Amino acid sequence: RKEVEQDPGPFNVPEGATVAFNCTYSNSASQSFFWYRQDCRKEPKLLMSVYSSGNEDGRFTAQLNRASQYISLLIRDSKLSDSATYLCVVNVPFRSGGGADGLTFGKGTHLIIQP
Amino acid sequence: DVKVTQSSRYLVKRTGEKVFLECVQDMDHENMFWYRQDPGLGLRLIYFSYDVKMKEKGDIPEGYSVSREKKERFSLILESASTNQTSMYLCASIGQDTQYFGPGTRLTVL
Repeated sequence: RKEVEQDPGPFNVPEGATVAFNCTYSNSASQSFFWYRQDCRKEPKLLMSVYSSGNEDGRFTAQLNRASQYISLLIRDSKLSDSATYLCVVNVPFRSGGGADGLTFGKGTHLIIQP
Repeated sequence: DVKVTQSSRYLVKRTGEKVFLECVQDMDHENMFWYRQDPGLGLRLIYFSYDVKMKEKGDIPEGYSVSREKKERFSLILESASTNQTSMYLCASIGQDTQYFGPGTRLTVL
């Protein structure tokens, strides 16, 4: 089983629609969760962290279900500028115990907002 | 507002050459990472470092080595470049509450 799984899409949605992404992770020891956004030919950028209680940042809402090992991202009132690839990212403690936690990335979900 | 820089945006090398990719961060982070990103495979961790002179293998370390002589600098070394190392290489610097990637180096090995 892959460590972090996402639907690759593409998701084609009209401007103004609500879109939801889902992600599952396999390592129950994972402690931190994030959504990153990556534009074409650019580096990934942190969009938001995901907290157990769920959190919201403007039009974006992230939720975590530890029991199901499931993370979601909801985008409301989508804009053309939301078109990008959204990466689900999970912190996986390294087996070496070296003290660094590493980020494991899903392959990303490609979102296209259409006018 | 520079946070993570990489020495080159684009690089073309020949098979067998030794290649150095440099990454510098100005946030005093202890943890630095090298990833490569390929279509259909996503980001894969090559090596990481959690302190000066400390390094750990990631998921795909074969064909690579790293160097962390100073806290702000983490270098990725391709000892003898091969065509299957053509990829986008991304450096990341991760602190307590901040995570930043460099702009990436697109390496082509001919």
